[in-house]
Amino acid sequence: GAGVSQSPSNKVTEKGKDVELRCDPISGHTALYWYRQSLGQGLEFLIYFQGNSAPDKSGLPSDRFSAERTGGSVSTLTIQRTQQEDSAVYLCASSFGPEGYNEQFFGPGTRLTVL
Amino acid sequence: GESVGLHLPTLSVQEGDNSIINCAYSNSASDYFIWYKQESGKGPQFIIDIRSNMDKRQGQRVTVLLNKTVKHLSLQIAATQPGDSAVYFCAERFVDDMRFGAGTRLTVKP
Repeated sequence: GAGVSQSPSNKVTEKGKDVELRCDPISGHTALYWYRQSLGQGLEFLIYFQGNSAPDKSGLPSDRFSAERTGGSVSTLTIQRTQQEDSAVYLCASSFGPEGYNEQFFGPGTRLTVL
Repeated sequence: GESVGLHLPTLSVQEGDNSIINCAYSNSASDYFIWYKQESGKGPQFIIDIRSNMDKRQGQRVTVLLNKTVKHLSLQIAATQPGDSAVYFCAERFVDDMRFGAGTRLTVKP
């Protein structure tokens, strides 16, 4: 069966440009998470969606970061006016639901390089 | 190795030896823990989980131990193989909040 997919796999952009990263969760998974992984570091939580709503936006590092999810499925993470410190791998994960103990399934990530 | 800090701790083992990877978690109220494996260029992959009402859980070649007294989690890999080379993360869950450690890089020498 299809897992979590993300696009693009790699994105190189110039400082100051906007970028959009896309995540397609596993069909039927209501919970969707965005994480960031900088080189040699652990996962940094960014935002969590339950359906189309985002009850937890606490991890977004600045107001240049935003995310939306439509139709309870695909999610887009947008970074405006990118900075070099935004360079990282952005990982998306989905799970069946937040209740109880639900394993998160991760996508392959999008590697963002800001020049 | 510990799971905090900017530099990934590393563990190097000989093929066939047993590996023990350690993790210190932060929230004494966390009730669910997961170990993930992340190979180069790939997203994290679930290995094994454990609930806080357990001290030990075994899978295929892997064992997770939980010590709630000192908030410590460990992953034991038996008969380590070259394919086990990866970064290993622990994760803790408190209600809907899941937090990850920085990870430990395991290198298996042939």
